[in-house]
Amino acid sequence: DAGVTQSPTHLIKTRGQQVTLRCSPKSGHDTVSWYQQALGQGPQFIFQYYEEEERQRGNFPDRFSGHQFPNYSSELNVNALLLGDSALYLCASSLWLAGISGANVLTFGAGSRLTVL
Amino acid sequence: DQQVKQNSPSLSVQEGRISILNCDYTNSMFDYFLWYKKYPAEGPTFLISISSIKDKNEDGRFTVFLNKSAKHLSLHIVPSQPGDSAVYFCAASEVTMSNSGYALNFGKGTSLLVTP
Repeated sequence: DAGVTQSPTHLIKTRGQQVTLRCSPKSGHDTVSWYQQALGQGPQFIFQYYEEEERQRGNFPDRFSGHQFPNYSSELNVNALLLGDSALYLCASSLWLAGISGANVLTFGAGSRLTVL
Repeated sequence: DQQVKQNSPSLSVQEGRISILNCDYTNSMFDYFLWYKKYPAEGPTFLISISSIKDKNEDGRFTVFLNKSAKHLSLHIVPSQPGDSAVYFCAASEVTMSNSGYALNFGKGTSLLVTP
């Protein structure tokens, strides 16, 4: 049973460029969340998608946008990259109904390591 | 504003002894708490959780204790094994309305080293 898969695993961009990261959720999951983990920090919530809609958003600027497709996979887009966007980007999947009931257990992928030069 | 705090960046314990990892939170609306373990080059892996209506939850060698009045939780690992060496993240989520989504608030993590 495949868990959460993310691509690419590593990428290098320059300031001002745009990047797209991709995520396939664990089989059976319908909700995708994205987190940013800077060096030495814990993961920080970016946003969460369910039924192709953004359901909740963390404290990130509009340069960060996302999308969820009918097959539940998701993309994270970051425009006008800054040096401070260098981080590990984690995708997590879950079941919407389980989360609403309070059992907010997320399954994480291994992440996409973004370096902005 | 860090709502979940893990004040010990690292902890070293001998194999077979107890490891105690601590976590404090400031948001009284948090009602569900989780611990994740992370190995290098891997994503965080769910370890154990506890609801705010409980004060203890056990799963094998892992026990989580919740003290709501002190806004404090701890993870006990007994006995500790070298394979437990990893970064441990404490996370919390708050009560949500239906259709509003849910987010985990993470601490900065504690790096546990279990020595033989």
